[in-house]
Amino acid sequence: EDKVVQSPLSLVVHEGDTVTLNCSYEVTNFRSLLWYKQEKKAPTFLFMLTSSGIEKKSGRLSSILDKKELFSILNITATQTGDSAIYLCAVGNMEYGNKLVFGAGTILRVKS
Amino acid sequence: DGGITQSPKYLFRKEGQNVTLSCEQNLNHDAMYWYRQDPGQGLRLIYYSQIVNDFQKGDIAEGYSVSREKKESFPLTVTSAQKNPTAFYLCASSMGFGYTFGSGTRLTVV
Repeated sequence: EDKVVQSPLSLVVHEGDTVTLNCSYEVTNFRSLLWYKQEKKAPTFLFMLTSSGIEKKSGRLSSILDKKELFSILNITATQTGDSAIYLCAVGNMEYGNKLVFGAGTILRVKS
Repeated sequence: DGGITQSPKYLFRKEGQNVTLSCEQNLNHDAMYWYRQDPGQGLRLIYYSQIVNDFQKGDIAEGYSVSREKKESFPLTVTSAQKNPTAFYLCASSMGFGYTFGSGTRLTVV
């Protein structure tokens, strides 16, 4: 059974701090790993990773995948209160089309 | 604007009642999905459909039913057989690897 484990489950930081969110996975036939940000209702797409060692960046957010050790990290530098959200990691399995398996999420709260 | 519309945003159900959650997309996506989100448990897959008139059970399908008669629509019925239906329900669609999500329906049993 495919599994995605995120850590920590929750995190409180102050504005300006740098945070690292972790995602480890077990999947029989890895296709891709995706990160989403969920602020109130609909999760919004952040990154999709398919290759090891290639960092993806978007502003203060970056992410990298290690397919040998089966994990990914999401980094947020110079955090702002607007970064407060649930961050979801999901993995796709080639055997099941576009279906994704999600982790439990990391709840991030950034205090001003 | 293309997107996914879920309705209603909030729904209250009495015990023993069936309720249907609506999900409509105008993205021309083939695949659609229903997830349930509970605190601390992330998103769990209820049903998914890769093509019209076909759908498969996800990890927690018991007590739920779906139909996919049109490409644009994938309604979810929460039946009285679902013992703990209070949750946040998210619909998504995809054409490729990433999902587009609706804004969700919060269902509460009263």
